[in-house]
Amino acid sequence: DSGVTQTPKHLITATGQRVTLRCSPRSGDLSVYWYQQSLDQGLQFLIQYYNGEERAKGNILERFSAQQFPDLHSELNLSSLELGDSALYFCASSVVPGQGTTGELFFGEGSRLTVL
Amino acid sequence: KNQVEQSPQSLIILEGKNCTLQCNYTVSPFSNLRWYKQDTGRGPVSLTIMTFSENTKSNGRYTATLDADTKQSSLHITASQLSDSASYICVVNGNYQLIWGAGTKLIIKP
Repeated sequence: DSGVTQTPKHLITATGQRVTLRCSPRSGDLSVYWYQQSLDQGLQFLIQYYNGEERAKGNILERFSAQQFPDLHSELNLSSLELGDSALYFCASSVVPGQGTTGELFFGEGSRLTVL
Repeated sequence: KNQVEQSPQSLIILEGKNCTLQCNYTVSPFSNLRWYKQDTGRGPVSLTIMTFSENTKSNGRYTATLDADTKQSSLHITASQLSDSASYICVVNGNYQLIWGAGTKLIIKP
């Protein structure tokens, strides 16, 4: 158990809909990262927050948005869903402010999104 | 362009055998290199993190090597077990961003 909690574990929805994925980081970790992993593909970095502020942005679509709340949990909002958005969405947390350190990332078990 | 390339793409070996996975990178500047193990449908788990000055690092039956001059790393698995079946991902930290490799899918057969 990494200590990172993601909900829901599974989600099935229709095209055009909007969903929200939630992540609770490990106790004491201030950084939260979101990754997307499509079937048999590598992890694609979406976005990172540190202590409530956006720290880094990857290949995140404009239809996607995220935020980190004062209690440090984070939510990833996916809107106008398309079939291609079907993927595993992982959240990771670390204690350090940026990816550019030796800080270890701890990953949650992911949220599997299926868009029909 | 910052890139991390892993080989082979997939590998099948018999239980008990050893294997070596390769990672070549063109990331600059270089901060550290990480190997992660990802079981199917699960989140990645860190195996090792190596900085510029470290040549070898072990974690149980996993041994990672790093040659910063040739920009190559390898992950050696000794006496493989069925539970080693997973994807192994090489990640290079450069210029405050993580560059992820596509991974090597390892299958251990009994």
